[in-house]
Amino acid sequence: NAGVTQTPKFRVLKTGQSMTLLCAQDMNHEYMYWYRQDPGMGLRLIHYSVGEGTTAKGEVPDGYNVSRLKKQNFLLGLESAAPSQTSVYFCASSLPGMGNQPQHFGDGTRLSIL
Amino acid sequence: RKEVEQDPGPFNVPEGATVAFNCTYSNSASQSFFWYRQDCRKEPKLLMSVYSSGNEDGRFTAQLNRASQYISLLIRDSKLSDSATYLCVVNPPSGSARQLTFGSGTQLTVLP
Repeated sequence: NAGVTQTPKFRVLKTGQSMTLLCAQDMNHEYMYWYRQDPGMGLRLIHYSVGEGTTAKGEVPDGYNVSRLKKQNFLLGLESAAPSQTSVYFCASSLPGMGNQPQHFGDGTRLSIL
Repeated sequence: RKEVEQDPGPFNVPEGATVAFNCTYSNSASQSFFWYRQDCRKEPKLLMSVYSSGNEDGRFTAQLNRASQYISLLIRDSKLSDSATYLCVVNPPSGSARQLTFGSGTQLTVLP
């Protein structure tokens, strides 16, 4: 049982490049989330989705876009990468009832922007 | 003031010791509370939910104090495998775009 799978695991980009991070879950969860984790700051919500075809902004959405074309996939895009986006990115999924249901996390994508 | 605050530690304790962490939250209307565990360079994993009446799971006990707006985690008989960062997680009132709010974590190292 794979759970939540993130690809790629690591990536180095140059400033201004674009890329897409893929998150896939096989638990049939309705809700999916993208977080970033920076030293000393905890996880911060970037965007989230409560179902196929719907997305919403989280705490730190600027510079990122997302899409949820299929229930099992949630994509995070960086259109023009900036050094401030160097971080560890985690995807998570949960059953409905945001905040009341535990979230299941992928093992992260370590992204460096030079 | 941060919405969720934790003592970052590190807490270094010998095997078999009892250790407790506190976490304070700023929004009195917060509804749900959790403790997650995160190993070095790994993803967070749910350790336990925190219920109003307090709850226990083996060596772990979680408590909620709404009046003082803090939650606590007590670990008894510490094992080497308990070494990790413990994240306090709070659900703000409904309607907030932030959903779950994560503390920055308390680092625990259990020493042989």
